Amino acid sequence: DAKTTQPTSMDCAEGRAANLPCNHSTISGNEYVYWYRQIHSQGPQYIIHGLKNNETNEMASLIITEDRKSSTLILPHATLRDTAVYYCIVPMDSSYKLIFGSGTRLLVRP
Amino acid sequence: GAGVSQSPRYKVAKRGQDVALRCDPISGHVSLFWYQQALGQGPEFLTYFQNEAQLDKSGLPSDRFFAERPEGSVSTLKIQRTQQEDSAVYLCASSFSSGTGGKNEQFFGPGTRLTVL
Repeated sequence: DAKTTQPTSMDCAEGRAANLPCNHSTISGNEYVYWYRQIHSQGPQYIIHGLKNNETNEMASLIITEDRKSSTLILPHATLRDTAVYYCIVPMDSSYKLIFGSGTRLLVRP
Repeated sequence: GAGVSQSPRYKVAKRGQDVALRCDPISGHVSLFWYQQALGQGPEFLTYFQNEAQLDKSGLPSDRFFAERPEGSVSTLKIQRTQQEDSAVYLCASSFSSGTGGKNEQFFGPGTRLTVL
């Protein structure tokens, strides 16, 4: 079973920040938080991952709470092309096996 | 640069036929994964290769499913005697490293949509 809980759907206005939450209250100390997204009819796309510290790359920022029980993926200026299903994944025991769950369906509105 | 490619992109099979789905991973990637994605669901893990070794096949639904990667690059997922419940998108992914810990960035192909009539 997936170790994460995400809202089923969210929406935001184009140009605004999209903040996608994820709960992972049973995360262990050496387990990473990964985010992937899947645009319709495409394969999943890696976005970002982190362990303890906040991370930022060209796509997004990842904010992990101090107790590591939750995190937020931030798309700073959402565009229509960011409409996708976003998956928060915590691979059990830091293994290679990604368990996707249901994800959050993000709709970016014009 | 070239990403992960899969062929065919679409496959229609009659129930009982055998099918073979091909995956070309990114050159030099050690790890290769197969996933199955049913309509409206997230991808589900099928199997994992490190080079030519199949280290995990725990997700394969039945013994009708068989995967190989004989030379540690191209992989083939074979489904024998297809059934209607095999209809899904089959995704292949590759990773530069072993895929564990903080090195689990997997690059996915576009998938093969299999429809079994």
